[in-house]
Amino acid sequence: AQSVAQPEDQVNVAEGNPLTVKCTYSVSGNPYLFWYVQYPNRGLQFLLKYITGDNLVKGSYGFEAEFNKSQTSFHLKKPSALVSDSALYFCAVRAIAGTYKYIFGTGTRLKVLA
Amino acid sequence: NAGVMQNPRHLVRRRGQEARLKCSPMKGHSHVYWYRQLPEEGLKFMVYLQKENIIDESGMPKERFSAEFPKEGPSILRIQQVVRGDSAAYFCASSPDGGAANQPQHFGDGTRLSIL
Repeated sequence: AQSVAQPEDQVNVAEGNPLTVKCTYSVSGNPYLFWYVQYPNRGLQFLLKYITGDNLVKGSYGFEAEFNKSQTSFHLKKPSALVSDSALYFCAVRAIAGTYKYIFGTGTRLKVLA
Repeated sequence: NAGVMQNPRHLVRRRGQEARLKCSPMKGHSHVYWYRQLPEEGLKFMVYLQKENIIDESGMPKERFSAEFPKEGPSILRIQQVVRGDSAAYFCASSPDGGAANQPQHFGDGTRLSIL
């Protein structure tokens, strides 16, 4: 069975500092991995995805993520955090075959402190 | 281009009533997914539909819940005889024809359902 784990419920970081939001996955075969962000009372917004190729994926709003096959991880990163980055972040894995539904992690709340 | 439109944004029902949640996918999208988000939790898959067909309903409760996506009009998630435990945010997502696994789904802003 496929699964995604986000081990941190909350991450606090000072504005201007680098941030990392962790995600590990368990799938059979090659994973399709996604990061989404959710602001209060809004839907999920797509940030970036890993399908194949370069392990470092760049996405929206200056975010990037590093795919590490040996550690089965797909951590979200940003070199310099902004207060406006404060939100709920979800990692997701998608079935390659079948119905293509997402399996989501439980989410990590990011707080960027001014 | 309009994104995925969900309405209503907020819905209040009393126990035993019916709740109807609507989702209009992005233009050109014929694949619709419904997810449920409980407070402080991630999203859980409920059902996947293509026009006039239910493809995967493995996440739907066996009773009281149903979904449709007619040839014309929005997708509807229907909850009959609602109970307090149905209180949640319900999100709809859509993807274009083919529903390729490497393409992101596009999410609406959700319907917040509250049961009194």
